[in-house]
Amino acid sequence: QVQLVESGGGAVQPGRSLRLSCAASGFTFSTTGMHWVRQAPGKGLEWVGLISYDATYKFYSDSVKGRFIISRDNSNNTLYLQMNSLRSDDTAVYYCAKVDSGDGGFFFDYWGQGIHVTVSS
Amino acid sequence: QSVLTQPPSVSAAPGQKVTISCSGSSSNIGNNFVSWYQQLPGTAPKLIIYDYGQRPSGIPDRFSGSKSGTSATLGISGLQTGDEADYYCGAWDSSLSVWVFGGGTKVTVL
Repeated sequence: QVQLVESGGGAVQPGRSLRLSCAASGFTFSTTGMHWVRQAPGKGLEWVGLISYDATYKFYSDSVKGRFIISRDNSNNTLYLQMNSLRSDDTAVYYCAKVDSGDGGFFFDYWGQGIHVTVSS
Repeated sequence: QSVLTQPPSVSAAPGQKVTISCSGSSSNIGNNFVSWYQQLPGTAPKLIIYDYGQRPSGIPDRFSGSKSGTSATLGISGLQTGDEADYYCGAWDSSLSVWVFGGGTKVTVL
C-alpha cells in the first residue's frame, strides 16, 4: 500500500534552516510528481510547491519562492523540502502529497501524516 | 484571501444533504479539473472527489461533485456524524502556475 512518511520537523529559530524528508513506498516514485502542502495552526491548506517526476519542473508559491527548495532522490524514493530563512509565519504542519491524474487533471490521491515545524525565538 | 472561495461553514441534520460551493475563475476551475478533500479533526486531508465528479475507490456515493462555469460544488447526502470535517476544493491555476485551495468549509451535523 502507498505510504508517505515525513520526517525532519521540529522547532527552529527565525532565520535558520530546516530540511524535511518524505519517504515514499508502495508505488513507482520515480514516475510520480510530488507536492508539499502546509497548514498553519487553525488555518486552511496552503500549497507550497511541486516537483515533476524527473525534477525537470519545479513550481513554488509566492510565499516560499526564493527561500524553499524542493528536490528528490529517485534512487532512494525520497522527497525533500529545504527550508531556508525561516519566518514565524512558516510555522505549520507540512504534508507531502502524491500526484495522480484522471481524464485530464491531476490531484493528490495520497498524503503523508504531516510533520510539525515551529519557527520561534 | 484564497483564490478559490468557499463558505466558511454549512450545517444540516443527520440524513439531510449539504452542498459546498467553490468559486474560482477561468484560469483555475473554468479550465482545469477540480478535486475535493476531506480533513477530519487532527488528521491529514483525504481525496474524496477528483475530475469534478469522480470518486476514488472506497468513497461512498453519498459524496458527489459537479462543475458549472467557474464554480464547482460538492454534495454530501444522507449526512452522518462521521462526515463532520473540513472540506477543501483545489485546482491548478494556469495563469499563476500554482495549485490553489479554497479556504475550507466546516461541515457540522446538527
